[in-house]
Amino acid sequence: NAGVTQTPKFQVLKTGQSMTLQCAQDMNHEYMSWYRQDPGMGLRLIHYSVGAGITDQGEVPNGYNVSRSTTEDFPLRLLSAAPSQTSVYFCASRGQAASGNTIYFGEGSWLTVV
Amino acid sequence: QQQVKQSPQSLIVQKGGISIINCAYENTAFDYFPWYQQFPGKGPALLIAIRPDVSEKKEGRFTISFNKSAKQFSLHIMDSQPGDSATYFCAASIGSNTGKLIFGQGTTLQVKP
Repeated sequence: NAGVTQTPKFQVLKTGQSMTLQCAQDMNHEYMSWYRQDPGMGLRLIHYSVGAGITDQGEVPNGYNVSRSTTEDFPLRLLSAAPSQTSVYFCASRGQAASGNTIYFGEGSWLTVV
Repeated sequence: QQQVKQSPQSLIVQKGGISIINCAYENTAFDYFPWYQQFPGKGPALLIAIRPDVSEKKEGRFTISFNKSAKQFSLHIMDSQPGDSATYFCAASIGSNTGKLIFGQGTTLQVKP
């Protein structure tokens, strides 16, 4: 059982470039989300999805785009990378309430924007 | 606006001692309060969680104490071990069905042998 898988693990981008962070889960979870982690600030929610075709903004959505065409995948797109987007990004998923409230995180994607 | 405030930022405890991390929240609509443990280079992993209708929950050496009137909750790690050295995050859920979490700032715990 792979759980939540993120790729790439590490990435360096130049300012203005675009890229997509991939996230896949094999637990048939309805709820998926993206967080960024910055020193001293904990994790902050970027975007989330409650099911295929449904997405919504979190606390810090600016500069990011998401889509959810399948239950398994929830990619995060950086439209025009900025140094302020240098961070560690975590994808997470959660099943229906009946299966428990545990939110599972991937191992993270380290992004540096120069 | 920091909806969940966590303290201390860092903590050093001797092996066998008690580690205590505190969190305070503002939004009374929160209905789920998990604690996550994160090791370097890894994603956060659920450690223990509590709902506001319970004042205390214990799982092994880990205990959550919850004070609804004060809007505070804390994590106690009894008999702390070097393997407990990690970053700990408290969190609160806005609506239990969305998987949306508001995190505290994190506490880096070091347990000295």
